[in-house]
Amino acid sequence: DSGVTQTPKHLITATGQRVTLRCSPRSGDLSVYWYQQSLDQGLQFLIQYYNGEERAKGNILERFSAQQFPDLHSELNLSSLELGDSALYFCASSTAGGSGNTIYFGEGSWLTVV
Amino acid sequence: QKEVEQDPGPLSVPEGAIVSLNCTYSNSAFQYFMWYRQYSRKGPELLMYTYSSGNKEDGRFTAQVDKSSKYISLFIRDSQPSDSATYLCAMSSNSNSGYALNFGKGTSLLVTP
Repeated sequence: DSGVTQTPKHLITATGQRVTLRCSPRSGDLSVYWYQQSLDQGLQFLIQYYNGEERAKGNILERFSAQQFPDLHSELNLSSLELGDSALYFCASSTAGGSGNTIYFGEGSWLTVV
Repeated sequence: QKEVEQDPGPLSVPEGAIVSLNCTYSNSAFQYFMWYRQYSRKGPELLMYTYSSGNKEDGRFTAQVDKSSKYISLFIRDSQPSDSATYLCAMSSNSNSGYALNFGKGTSLLVTP
C-alpha cells in the first residue's frame, strides 16, 4: 500500500458526460500528480500540483481540469467524455515538488466511457 | 519517436533465471532514472531509483545507467513467479518548473515455475 488513495476505483459513464476523480496523497506529501494509462499510449503525465498551485502541465486535454485543495487532496475533472478517454487514471504524490523526489502511485481509477 | 523506448515483450523465463530489462532514451537532459513494477490493473510500485550514471543494487535487483549510451537496465537475479508483472522504466530531467516522469510502455515479464 503506497498510502495514496484514489476514488472511485471503477466507473462507467456515457459519452458527453462529466466525472470527477478524487485523490488523497500520502500523509505529509505536498505534491500531487495525475497520469493517464491507456493500452496504446502507456503512462502519460497530465498535470502536477504542489501545495495548491499548478506546477507542471503535460498532455492534458482542455476538457480535463484539476485542482488541489487546502487539505492537499486533489480532484481531476473530465468533461465531454469521449470513447477514447477510457483509461486508467493514476494519482501519485511526493514529499516535495522538485525533480528527483520519489513518486508514489495510487491504485488508479478505471474509467470506461460507453 | 518517443523519448523513452522499451521492448514490450512478453518476456518468458524459467524460475531462477537472470532477467535483463532495458530502456533507451533520446533526451540527454534526463538525470533521474527509475524502475517501477506494475501488477495487472494495479498502481506502479517503485523498485529502483538512480541519479545520473552508475549501478545500484537492492537485494535481487540491480539497476544500471549508462548516460553515454542513453541506455538503462534492470537485472533481476533468481527470478521468482511472483516477479511476473510489467516493468516500467521512467526518467526525468532536472527542472525547476515541475517534475514529470517520462515512462516507457513497459515490458511484460512472465516467470514460469
